[in-house]
Amino acid sequence: QSALTQPPSASGSLGQSVTISCTGTSSDVGGYNYVSWYQQHPGKAPKLIIYEVNKRPSGVPERFSGAKSGNTASLTVSGLQAEDEADYYCSSYAGGRGYVFGTGTEVTVL
Amino acid sequence: EAQLVESGGGLVQPGESLRLSCAASGFTFSTYWMTWVRQGPGKGLEWVVNISPDESEKYFGDSMRGRVIVSRDNTKNSLFLQMNSLRVEDTALYYCATFWSPYKGAFHIWGRGTMVTVSS
Repeated sequence: QSALTQPPSASGSLGQSVTISCTGTSSDVGGYNYVSWYQQHPGKAPKLIIYEVNKRPSGVPERFSGAKSGNTASLTVSGLQAEDEADYYCSSYAGGRGYVFGTGTEVTVL
Repeated sequence: EAQLVESGGGLVQPGESLRLSCAASGFTFSTYWMTWVRQGPGKGLEWVVNISPDESEKYFGDSMRGRVIVSRDNTKNSLFLQMNSLRVEDTALYYCATFWSPYKGAFHIWGRGTMVTVSS
């Protein structure tokens, strides 16, 4: 199972925005709208923040948003706050291969 | 409050077996798809297996297919992962999580994980 490609790191200043990409293929990201995003703080379990490309679970702030274009999905965090500093992982349904996760992106709030 | 608690991890030698458990509470376990996801030390997340509410459907990731058996006991709100022929590269924190409900294609409620170390 080839992992989806994410940049290793991203950063933004307090109050600014940061966008993380998640690149796959037509057999995963590009082929299905089951892309989800997870936030993971050090030593903690992942937390679902986006599902079905651009939907937010109950309780997740509106400043988290998702999108997809072709084989690349993206997560944007607007109005960065200190608590947004974490690792972020994308995931996609991949048909017969089941589910694949991204390589992960460490977000730093400057 | 919905909660998942994994147990059963530990240190084993290559080739040995281990059985992980996941105890669920605070939601109707018997109606949920469940999943196991693992994370190697300092590494990313890797999907291992999904199981349907009635055990009729099971889907395995490439990394452990043929070496794991997933099962559940809905009367005891418990999920299990029997891992055989363990390899050094199976060393990871193993999470159980709910899957698909209520968020399609996503892993929603996660446990804190149980650590499996495979080393001679």
